[in-house]
Amino acid sequence: DQQVKQNSPSLSVQEGRISILNCDYTNSMFDYFLWYKKYPAEGPTFLISISSIKDKNEDGRFTVFLNKSAKHLSLHIVPSQPGDSAVYFCAAKASGGFKTIFGAGTRLFVKA
Amino acid sequence: GAGVSQSPSNKVTEKGKDVELRCDPISGHTALYWYRQSLGQGLEFLIYFQGNSAPDKSGLPSDRFSAERTGGSVSTLTIQRTQQEDSAVYLCASSLVGSRSGANVLTFGAGSRLTVL
Repeated sequence: DQQVKQNSPSLSVQEGRISILNCDYTNSMFDYFLWYKKYPAEGPTFLISISSIKDKNEDGRFTVFLNKSAKHLSLHIVPSQPGDSAVYFCAAKASGGFKTIFGAGTRLFVKA
Repeated sequence: GAGVSQSPSNKVTEKGKDVELRCDPISGHTALYWYRQSLGQGLEFLIYFQGNSAPDKSGLPSDRFSAERTGGSVSTLTIQRTQQEDSAVYLCASSLVGSRSGANVLTFGAGSRLTVL
């Protein structure tokens, strides 16, 4: 049972344009959502998070939007840069629990 | 240490052999996690430690898998009688307190790539 789903295995975007990565979840008990970025041969690194009491969190070029009623979140990268090319994992955590559940990841290609 | 350190970075073994994977978390991080990523798959939770105890072992795939943590620091993941389906990248992560509330951001190591022939 996949509680966190990233339905797009890959995404290709032109440099300077917006990248939108999507994520859906099924567990209504999740109250924190995170995005991690992973380069080849490295571990995932934390990018940005959002609490369920918010619908938007912005950090520089990265913005995460949360739609609780739709159980959907998205990561926007504007403007996209070639160095953003990586695998992006959506993750979620429930209040009162220790386990972070990850999606399958979306590989982003930013073309120069 | 400055980051989460894992060893070996690569391990090739024959089916049926036992393997040990080591994780050295960030100094002072009380929470430690093991995940694995099989080819083309996402990160699969295996086990979580708070200090030396493991409140959640729910992700261990079978009784061939075990993990321990000593001194609230180094952790070892042991896979007995390895099978080809055990081939994956095994990732270790740590966090400062393993908080029930809050986002509980994880810091990952680079992983141990296991190949079972």
